[in-house]
Amino acid sequence: SQKIEQNSEALNIQEGKTATLTCNYTNYSPAYLQWYRQDPGRGPVFLLLIRENEKEKRKERLKVTFDTTLKQSLFHITASQPADSATYLCALPNQAGTALIFGKGTTLSVSS
Amino acid sequence: GAGVSQSPSNKVTEKGKDVELRCDPISGHTALYWYRQRLGQGLEFLIYFQGNSAPDKSGLPSDRFSAERTGESVSTLTIQRTQQEDSAVYLCASSFPTRSGETQYFGPGTRLLVL
Repeated sequence: SQKIEQNSEALNIQEGKTATLTCNYTNYSPAYLQWYRQDPGRGPVFLLLIRENEKEKRKERLKVTFDTTLKQSLFHITASQPADSATYLCALPNQAGTALIFGKGTTLSVSS
Repeated sequence: GAGVSQSPSNKVTEKGKDVELRCDPISGHTALYWYRQRLGQGLEFLIYFQGNSAPDKSGLPSDRFSAERTGESVSTLTIQRTQQEDSAVYLCASSFPTRSGETQYFGPGTRLLVL
């Protein structure tokens, strides 16, 4: 079955720096991959979707890459702000396409 | 339009009691998911409904857990004879799957505490 690994449970950076979060998967290559943000006490919120034929996707200060050879996605937040502090989840569809599989998430803390 | 809503927002119960959690998906969304999230842990898939197809129950942890959905509307997740290990946040999400993928919209969750 598909396994998702997100590089670390916690990442601490200073305001203004670029945060880079990693998502690795181990099995089949999914048709797409998503990133969600989760704040404490709230449900996850969708941020970006990237398809297998796309190398890179951008949205404001966010950038996602998808390397199907390495079976890896990188999620970048440029010019990070304390308001970016949250847990970021990587998700991809299961092989049957009936559900999203979520990683455990990386908790980002941006200090001012 | 309203997002996904869940009720109750918090539930405290005694071990051995049954609880029922409710999810109102976004209108028009054909897919509905239930997840469990224990404190400090990732999302654990429980069950998936898609239109009138048979639900995917592969994530339900035991036969004490069941869920129903009527058509493309409200869903209820029932936990019978609750145990302390059932304490978690139960999240519901809905989506409108297309060939090119889907985005899930999550509710705020129900925080269940079993004493």
